[in-house]
Amino acid sequence: GIQVEQSPPDLILQEGANSTLRCNFSDSVNNLQWFHQNPWGQLINLFYIPSGTKQNGRLSATTVATERYSLLYISSSQTTDSGVYFCAVLNTGFQKLVFGTGTRLLVSP
Amino acid sequence: DAGVTQSPTHLIKTRGQQVTLRCSPISGHKSVSWYQQVLGQGPQFIFQYYEKEERGRGNFPDRFSARQFPNYSSELNVNALLLGDSALYLCASSLGLTATNEKLFFGSGTQLSVL
Repeated sequence: GIQVEQSPPDLILQEGANSTLRCNFSDSVNNLQWFHQNPWGQLINLFYIPSGTKQNGRLSATTVATERYSLLYISSSQTTDSGVYFCAVLNTGFQKLVFGTGTRLLVSP
Repeated sequence: DAGVTQSPTHLIKTRGQQVTLRCSPISGHKSVSWYQQVLGQGPQFIFQYYEKEERGRGNFPDRFSARQFPNYSSELNVNALLLGDSALYLCASSLGLTATNEKLFFGSGTQLSVL
């Protein structure tokens, strides 16, 4: 099956810093989503981005489907950005999202 | 509008018992998927139901079963609980059958502890 790897596994930032999270996948995909899991376990959908670039406030994401990777940019990080960021992909007809290993982000004040 | 709702939020069971978890999708969404998230890992796909039929199944034993009701809500059942079934169980909903061009929206999950 498709493999999804994320880097770095852990990231510690000072408030106000910028960061880039990476997601590599092993096969072509027809769906790629970025999620933020907060400390209470809630998975928040950040982006649906199988290709191209999208921006939402301080967050933006870029997927280069031909090279099988996606990047999530966080600018001017805040303590509320802390949590685990997951990339999830799908390459079948039904909704079996395959999640990556996650990047655990801690933003300190 | 309410998001995806799951109940209960927390559950403690002992080995060998059976458990039922419940999920109500976003209004208008017809597809419900279930995922298991073990501590420190990403969620793993268990089932997808659409229009009350099973449309996909992950690599889980037959102790895991699910169903979807006419109002599109869903139940996940796990029989003969093992210690390894301790996890956060997440429900996701979406409009249609396939996930192409669609976002999945997740509930807050049910934290199951098996003692």
